[in-house]
Amino acid sequence: NAGVTQTPKFRVLKTGQSMTLLCAQDMNHEYMYWYRQDPGMGLRLIHYSVGEGTTAKGEVPDGYNVSRLKKQNFLLGLESAAPSQTSVYFCASSAGTSVETQYFGPGTRLLVL
Amino acid sequence: GQSLEQPSEVTAVEGAIVQINCTYQTSGFYGLSWYQQHDGGAPTFLSYNGLDGLEETGRFSSFLSRSDSYGYLLLQELQMKDSASYFCAVRGGSNDYKLSFGAGTTVTVRA
Repeated sequence: NAGVTQTPKFRVLKTGQSMTLLCAQDMNHEYMYWYRQDPGMGLRLIHYSVGEGTTAKGEVPDGYNVSRLKKQNFLLGLESAAPSQTSVYFCASSAGTSVETQYFGPGTRLLVL
Repeated sequence: GQSLEQPSEVTAVEGAIVQINCTYQTSGFYGLSWYQQHDGGAPTFLSYNGLDGLEETGRFSSFLSRSDSYGYLLLQELQMKDSASYFCAVRGGSNDYKLSFGAGTTVTVRA
């Protein structure tokens, strides 16, 4: 099992450009999450999904959109990137019976110039 | 909302014991989790406390006191590989399907 995978691993964008980050999990988990991590601020939840076709806002959703068309995939979109979105983005998944135990992907480092 | 506090840094020598405290103020509470993250890596799950008391997993133990809104992670027999950041995280209720993370504690183990 690959667990949770993320693509790309690293990306540089110019302000105003758009991009999509892809997260895939092969553990048949119901729940999936997108976090951003900035120095000294821990993990902040952007959006999450409790099932195929459903999404919900987290703590810092502005400037991001998500979609979960298939159970195993969770996409994070930036429509118009801003320098404030420079961060490391982590995707995670968990079984529906165990929200407390989340499995994280390796992360995507995004630099917005 | 959720608010979690933990120390920003802890330094100790190999073989020592380190305790990382986590206090929380939340609108609801279901359980406290702990995650480890090595520099440049992804967070990995360490332990979970849903009830008061101590949970032991090898050299690591985690404790919860719901009445005090307090928990801690105890790292025993410290090894160099334990140098990492440690995060506490709260689930706000049985109908809360997400975690709120603390800012993290950086543990540095010295020889």
